[in-house]
Amino acid sequence: DADVTQTPRNRITKTGKRIMLECSQTKGHDRMYWYRQDPGLGLRLIYYSFDVKDINKGEISDGYSVSRQAQAKFSLSLESAIPNQTALYFCATSSERETRHEQYFGPGTRLTVT
Amino acid sequence: KQEVTQIPAALSVPEGENLVLNCSFTDSAIYNLQWFRQDPGKGLTSLLLIQSSQREQTSGRLNASLDKSSGRSTLYIAASQPGDSATYLCAVMTETSGSRLTFGEGTQLTVNP
Repeated sequence: DADVTQTPRNRITKTGKRIMLECSQTKGHDRMYWYRQDPGLGLRLIYYSFDVKDINKGEISDGYSVSRQAQAKFSLSLESAIPNQTALYFCATSSERETRHEQYFGPGTRLTVT
Repeated sequence: KQEVTQIPAALSVPEGENLVLNCSFTDSAIYNLQWFRQDPGKGLTSLLLIQSSQREQTSGRLNASLDKSSGRSTLYIAASQPGDSATYLCAVMTETSGSRLTFGEGTQLTVNP
């Protein structure tokens, strides 16, 4: 089984709808991240969490919210989806205990807002 | 604010050729640099991670180098194969970024049989 899983893998929704993307990990990592990728662009950080009670905004957090329900689960919500939130969304994890701080990525969720 | 640039944006080579992908960054106070591979519509696969104290890392036909003082990293792929076709992303973790990564826009590589 994959260490970092994301659900759903694909989602089409309409403008104004609320949608939640979920991320789970079995790596035992304390840090989790949500990134967004637009065509031809690199990934940009939306939110990150260093533990269950530590949530931080990234560079493009407007229009998004997150919830860290447990150390292994980190959800991203779009309260009222808009077309320019159409993108590929990635969850990632890392461990503060590992000196390399390497990040491990999930398979991504392709979101289309019509 | 850290900025990461990758050149070229796209590269097409014949099979068997050795090639170099470039990554530059503006803030040399980095903690590490990672190279990733991304296949179309897929997730990211970590290829190599170079810590700030290292000059290079090797894995099979891949070699990544790091020159912090000039703000540059290169990914060298030897004897390229069609299966190497993918987008290659460079990402930098700055010392003050709290383990956040800043990504370049990627180089789309096509290796022609």
